[in-house]
Amino acid sequence: DAKTTQPNSMESNEEEPVHLPCNHSTISGTDYIHWYRQLPSQGPEYVIHGLTSNVNNRMASLAIAEDRKSSTLILHRATLRDAAVYYCILRDAGGAQKLVFGQGTRLTINP
Amino acid sequence: DTGVSQNPRHKITKRGQNVTFRCDPISEHNRLYWYRQTLGQGPEFLTYFQNEAQLEKSRLLSDRFSAERPKGSFSTLEIQRTEQGDSAMYLCASSFLQDPYGYTFGSGTRLTVV
Repeated sequence: DAKTTQPNSMESNEEEPVHLPCNHSTISGTDYIHWYRQLPSQGPEYVIHGLTSNVNNRMASLAIAEDRKSSTLILHRATLRDAAVYYCILRDAGGAQKLVFGQGTRLTINP
Repeated sequence: DTGVSQNPRHKITKRGQNVTFRCDPISEHNRLYWYRQTLGQGPEFLTYFQNEAQLEKSRLLSDRFSAERPKGSFSTLEIQRTEQGDSAMYLCASSFLQDPYGYTFGSGTRLTVV
């Protein structure tokens, strides 16, 4: 299973942008980059995913390096409700398509 | 559709007892996954179904664990002769085979073995 590396924790202020990095140097050509987040006492929640190009949705943006060995999740204006553990995951396009979670990044938002 | 539903939300049981959890996925989703999460760790894959067929089981799924998905609808996860090490959050997720957007997770069942 392909692995990702994320900082254990990050801290930011409310209404400021947040950039969450992820390294995935062993990514294969068929792996999608997925981001999930998990709020306390809840199951993980899908945030965004991409393959090669940068992606935007209502929750966040995903910037993917040209060599695909790293990516950055961008929260444009963090709110207190964005405080969560964020997981960067590589998901194979075929087979079981199971998500292999790492430790994630615990994001703290200061008011 | 209200998403993935898991019951019960919490379960406290004595060591050695059997427990069963239920997961109701999103109705049109043909894949269903079970994960286990211990405190401070990310979720760990246990097993998954495509329709009613159980296609993969993790080494974490000892012979005390069994999962079923009759008729490809809801799923149950049973743990026999529970041990304290089984205390964890058990998460269910479902997805549609052709959908690249990933999974929808339930809120989980928190098991405490005393």
